[in-house]
Amino acid sequence: DTAVSQTPKYLVTQMGNDKSIKCEQNLGHDTMYWYKQDSKKFLKIMFSYNNKELIINETVPNRFSPKSPDKAHLNLHINSLELGDSAVYFCASSSTGSNTEAFFGQGTRLTVV
Amino acid sequence: GENVEQHPSTLSVQEGDSAVIKCTYSDSASNYFPWYKQELGKRPQLIIDIRSNVGEKKDQRIAVTLNKTAKHFSLHITETQPEDSAVYFCAASGSSGTYKYIFGTGTRLKVLA
Repeated sequence: DTAVSQTPKYLVTQMGNDKSIKCEQNLGHDTMYWYKQDSKKFLKIMFSYNNKELIINETVPNRFSPKSPDKAHLNLHINSLELGDSAVYFCASSSTGSNTEAFFGQGTRLTVV
Repeated sequence: GENVEQHPSTLSVQEGDSAVIKCTYSDSASNYFPWYKQELGKRPQLIIDIRSNVGEKKDQRIAVTLNKTAKHFSLHITETQPEDSAVYFCAASGSSGTYKYIFGTGTRLKVLA
């Protein structure tokens, strides 16, 4: 029974398109995150939400718009995709705040061509 | 701003030898320090963590040490095995109310059989 699941696992799309990635956690956690992992494997925070409220927006272009319909879901919509958006995007969740273990989804490999 | 430096970026050891990965953090308010292992194409998974009120923690072949004064923490893997080959990330997180993990840049560990 997957704790944090995100879909799709792979996403190949053309520049200029709009795409969404969905994330769901069944751990009962309050806090959810989006991280971007680039080709050098750096894991960089994009957003964090707590109980559906945006807590952190780490200077991400406003083409990226997260949405949390409830505390178990955090989706990521990206408008006008650019080549530089190609990366692996990880959703994660933690109990409350970041002073406990984060559980990661399996990642979405986004390739913009 | 907050920063976590991690060294080395790559590490090759012979099977059975020990491996040590070191991290330094900048935010003195950080009080939670997890270590994640990421196998190729997989999600990061927690292998061990330590809190600021503890100097050392051990779990079988893995240990973590923390020096709060110097703002250093290290991962020690003893009796390395080929399945330990992966990318390892350290991270730091602030006190309750913080909602992000700052990750180090990763260490690619290769255990040679």
